[in-house]
Amino acid sequence: NIVMTQSPKSMSISVGDRVTMNCKASQNVGNNIAWYQQKPGQSPKLLIYYASNRYTGVPDRFTGGGYGTDFTLTINSVQAEDAAFYYCQRIYNSPWTFGGGTKLELK
Amino acid sequence: EVQILETGGGLVKPGGSLRLSCATSGFNFNDYFMHWVRQAPGNGLEWVAEVRNKNNNYATYYAASVKGRFTISRDDSKSSVYLQVSSLRAEDTAIYYCTRSDWETFDYWGQGVMVTVSS
Repeated sequence: NIVMTQSPKSMSISVGDRVTMNCKASQNVGNNIAWYQQKPGQSPKLLIYYASNRYTGVPDRFTGGGYGTDFTLTINSVQAEDAAFYYCQRIYNSPWTFGGGTKLELK
Repeated sequence: EVQILETGGGLVKPGGSLRLSCATSGFNFNDYFMHWVRQAPGNGLEWVAEVRNKNNNYATYYAASVKGRFTISRDDSKSSVYLQVSSLRAEDTAIYYCTRSDWETFDYWGQGVMVTVSS
């Protein structure tokens, strides 16, 4: 089975900074990756699918990239409301494996 | 408006069973795959089980950690999906989310239901 590994596990960023987090698949998954945001006490929210497609209503400061085994989620000009956990996920087939998550904290 | 509502959680002893239910509305249920995803306290997301739609022969898939103990099913006439959880272990303690997907996205999620396995 494919393993999704996210890094770093946590990061502390100031409002207005640019941040990039990583997701590595143990096998080539093409562009079959999604990214989700989850805030404490809430359900996950879809941000990005097919590696780089922004979901409806997602601010354009969120950008996904990558192909094959290495993927990134970049947030330009981080806002206070972006403090959350971020998860990548292999899509398009079972098992729909999630990465372990990256916690984004604001300084 | 898409709505997804899970019920059926609770406290159960190790080795026990529960049936989780997920009622949906606001979309054509027949078009979608349905999943259960769980999150243990303080941990990340874990995909648990999937049931595909009629066009995909209602195929079911499970995470290795629950295969043989959990059973997912759907009732298209009620726009509902179920998760029968059996032989429960302490490590099954988690919030269980119901979510829909096509091939690309888990775009709508319920608020989740808590399952606690403890003696």
